[in-house]
Amino acid sequence: GAVVSQHPSWVICKSGTSVKIECRSLDFQATTMFWYRQFPKQSLMLMATSNEGSKATYEQGVEKDKFLINHASLTLSTLTVTSAHPEDSSFYICSARVVAGGPYVLTFGAGSRLTVL
Amino acid sequence: GENVEQHPSTLSVQEGDSAVIKCTYSDSASNYFPWYKQELGKGPQLIIDIRSNVGEKKDQRIAVTLNKTAKHFSLHITETQPEDSAVYFCAATYGSSNTGKLIFGQGTTLQVKP
Repeated sequence: GAVVSQHPSWVICKSGTSVKIECRSLDFQATTMFWYRQFPKQSLMLMATSNEGSKATYEQGVEKDKFLINHASLTLSTLTVTSAHPEDSSFYICSARVVAGGPYVLTFGAGSRLTVL
Repeated sequence: GENVEQHPSTLSVQEGDSAVIKCTYSDSASNYFPWYKQELGKGPQLIIDIRSNVGEKKDQRIAVTLNKTAKHFSLHITETQPEDSAVYFCAATYGSSNTGKLIFGQGTTLQVKP
């Protein structure tokens, strides 16, 4: 089945630094990937849609200069949290559309837990 | 804005009993409704989904029903087992499924007692 890999699975960084999270589709090509954020015991909130070869589309209220998204290839999207602060600590999850000759499904990565000290 | 309401927030059942989780959505253009299971510290895993041209779908112990007129859909788990314990999320598309964007419900923590 379709597999989406995220790296790193967890990261701790100091306030003010930038952190990059990678999302890879391992056995399929994904022209579209999605980035979600999840706070403890809460639901998933869509942050942005990552489109291969073009600019990401951000949801209302998400700072695009804060959360930089790059989708340079059909199998890789990256999310960079710039100048991270403690309030950016969260679980970040990506997903990718899997199109297999019929209606698509979304496959999620295992998530990346960011802790900003 | 568009939203998805999910109930209950917590559900505790005895092993072997059935569990039902219900969701309502607001966007009449939504046409794809997946259900995800999330275990602690992991990403959501798709367990079943249903599209708007179908009223019911079943996969072994799991079934989903959809009522488009009432804008609600439900997850039914029969013969529950302790390994079914997890957080379950329903979701619906923003408008049609062409965008791929999903709105998630608030989640239901299911506890199956042995």
